[in-house]
Amino acid sequence: DAGITQSPRHKVTETGTPVTLRCHQTENHRYMYWYRQDPGHGLRLIHYSYGVKDTDKGEVSDGYSVSRSKTEDFLLTLESATSSQTSVYFCAISEGGARLYEQYFGPGTRLTVT
Amino acid sequence: AQKVTQAQTEISVVEKEDVTLDCVYETRDTTYYLFWYKQPPSGELVFLIRRNSFDEQNEISGRYSWNFQKSTSSFNFTITASQVVDSAVYFCALIETSGSRLTFGEGTQLTVNP
Repeated sequence: DAGITQSPRHKVTETGTPVTLRCHQTENHRYMYWYRQDPGHGLRLIHYSYGVKDTDKGEVSDGYSVSRSKTEDFLLTLESATSSQTSVYFCAISEGGARLYEQYFGPGTRLTVT
Repeated sequence: AQKVTQAQTEISVVEKEDVTLDCVYETRDTTYYLFWYKQPPSGELVFLIRRNSFDEQNEISGRYSWNFQKSTSSFNFTITASQVVDSAVYFCALIETSGSRLTFGEGTQLTVNP
């Protein structure tokens, strides 16, 4: 158990509204990631963080922003949600060091944009 | 660019049969890691194995075994004597040590029937 929680677990929102998803970890890991999972695409990296206030873009970052003001929290924001952002969002952590490349995933957030 | 291909979209077997899930990858890096994850119907992503590019030794863990062959860029996963609880989507993934992006295949849906 990597001690990762995501909130909310389910959300339905309307097009054009802002949405923030939260990822919380209890193990003080340096690296955190946001992915989205869509049929036919597997999981794709949105943004990642390699420390407090250190973030970078992933493969599908358009329309998303992130923030990490504390080690334990990594927030994903959809500034103005669109139907194409309906997806399951997974947060992941990496311990770093010898296990830098192993990523462990949270339970996921199912987001529906109507 | 890195790429992972899981050509088998769906596989259906009868309990106690052996089944092999194929994974073919592309990368320009000489140093990389390969992974398998399991996603049961409940939706979470479960880490199964990590293999680095310098270690071609096959690995066995209970009923699970993995065959890594650099010559064919393949990292195949075999379940021996399959059980109904093995029913899940299985993802193969790759990360290059020069980057931070975990690239997933599209997944193979395995259904084990009683």
